[in-house]
Amino acid sequence: EDQVTQSPEALRLQEGESSSLNCSYTVSGLRGLFWYRQDPGKGPEFLFTLYSAGEEKEKERLKATLTKKESFLHITAPKPEDSATYLCAVKDTDKLIFGTGTRLQVFP
Amino acid sequence: EAQVTQNPRYLITVTGKKLTVTCSQNMNHEYMSWYRQDPGLGLRQIYYSMNVEVTDKGDVPEGYKVSRKEKRNFPLILESPSPNQTSLYFCASSSPTGFGAEAFFGQGTRLTVV
Repeated sequence: EDQVTQSPEALRLQEGESSSLNCSYTVSGLRGLFWYRQDPGKGPEFLFTLYSAGEEKEKERLKATLTKKESFLHITAPKPEDSATYLCAVKDTDKLIFGTGTRLQVFP
Repeated sequence: EAQVTQNPRYLITVTGKKLTVTCSQNMNHEYMSWYRQDPGLGLRQIYYSMNVEVTDKGDVPEGYKVSRKEKRNFPLILESPSPNQTSLYFCASSSPTGFGAEAFFGQGTRLTVV
């Protein structure tokens, strides 16, 4: 069965304290892995798409990487405005399968 | 501005009273879908549509209906809502090459069924 597991469930960081979020997946035919950011009371906002192992994408303080079984979202020197829930999703044929997310809080 | 618009944002209804949540996108996207989001369960796909008059079930379709008569609109219909359909609902759209990848999400509809 296709599955996406994110860890940790919640993460508290001091401003400037770098860390990584993990997304592990099992899917029969991966057609892409996606990272989204979701702020409270809002819809998810697209961040990155990764298609093949070894691929990396960067945007400001965020960097996403992909292996054959997992993806990492690295956050370098985070700021309080990076606080949000980060969702990982994998595409299998016509469907997106989401993980339950990592709730990130960055304190000044 | 590219956007997906859902209405209403908040809705409280009683068991069994039919309701429709509307979704409209202005990006000429072929692919549209509906999700529900519940604590601890994440986003789960209810129905999706790859084009006008083409719809298919997602992971949790029971108790829901959809229609796609126009490209821009994809309403979600609850014929006889029940309390277990209390949830946060999101509509999303994307281009066919994206297939839900670079999806644009609406702001959500918080539904409470009492």
